[in-house]
Amino acid sequence: DAKTTQPTSMDCAEGRAANLPCNHSTISGNEYVYWYRQIHSQGPQYIIHGLKNNETNEMASLIITEDRKSSTLILPHATLRDTAVYYCIVKSSSNTGKLIFGQGTTLQVKP
Amino acid sequence: NAGVTQTPKFQVLKTGQSMTLQCAQDMNHEYMSWYRQDPGMGLRLIHYSVGAGITDQGEVPNGYNVSRSTTEDFPLRLLSAAPSQTSVYFCASSKTGASTEKLFFGSGTQLSVL
Repeated sequence: DAKTTQPTSMDCAEGRAANLPCNHSTISGNEYVYWYRQIHSQGPQYIIHGLKNNETNEMASLIITEDRKSSTLILPHATLRDTAVYYCIVKSSSNTGKLIFGQGTTLQVKP
Repeated sequence: NAGVTQTPKFQVLKTGQSMTLQCAQDMNHEYMSWYRQDPGMGLRLIHYSVGAGITDQGEVPNGYNVSRSTTEDFPLRLLSAAPSQTSVYFCASSKTGASTEKLFFGSGTQLSVL
């Protein structure tokens, strides 16, 4: 699975959009981009995933560049409860189940 | 809506002791896995299973054993605990482990080995 690079930390004002970048320059054609988050010491929580098209669900939007070498997770209206560590993970379609976590981005939402 | 249940939530062991961390899911998921998370680090895969009777090693399997006798349960055994195994342990499951499936995580077991 390709490696990912994320900023160590980011701040966002409450109510504003939080844009979390992720670089995955070595991604291959059959690899999906996943985002999970971990609030405090809880178990990670799935947010969204995509292959090459932009995706949106009730939690967030995922924008994947045309060359698929990077992506951005967008939380449209961040709240204090969105303060968490956000993990960007690339996973091969042939790699059953295994998620390789990096160190993620610590997002601090401030009032 | 129990989801993935881990027990115990906290455990303190002495070096050399053995114990089993329990993980159960009620979603009829074939795929189950164990991760550990050290302070300030991401999660690392220990072992995983794609169905009853089938297990395989992840990134950091040494010092841990697993078995999968039922679809619902996937216990993680520490045969002789070491201080290096002090960590938070998470169990996760998904329907089949396919790329398009999301993993459901338990709330974790915090283990300290003295």
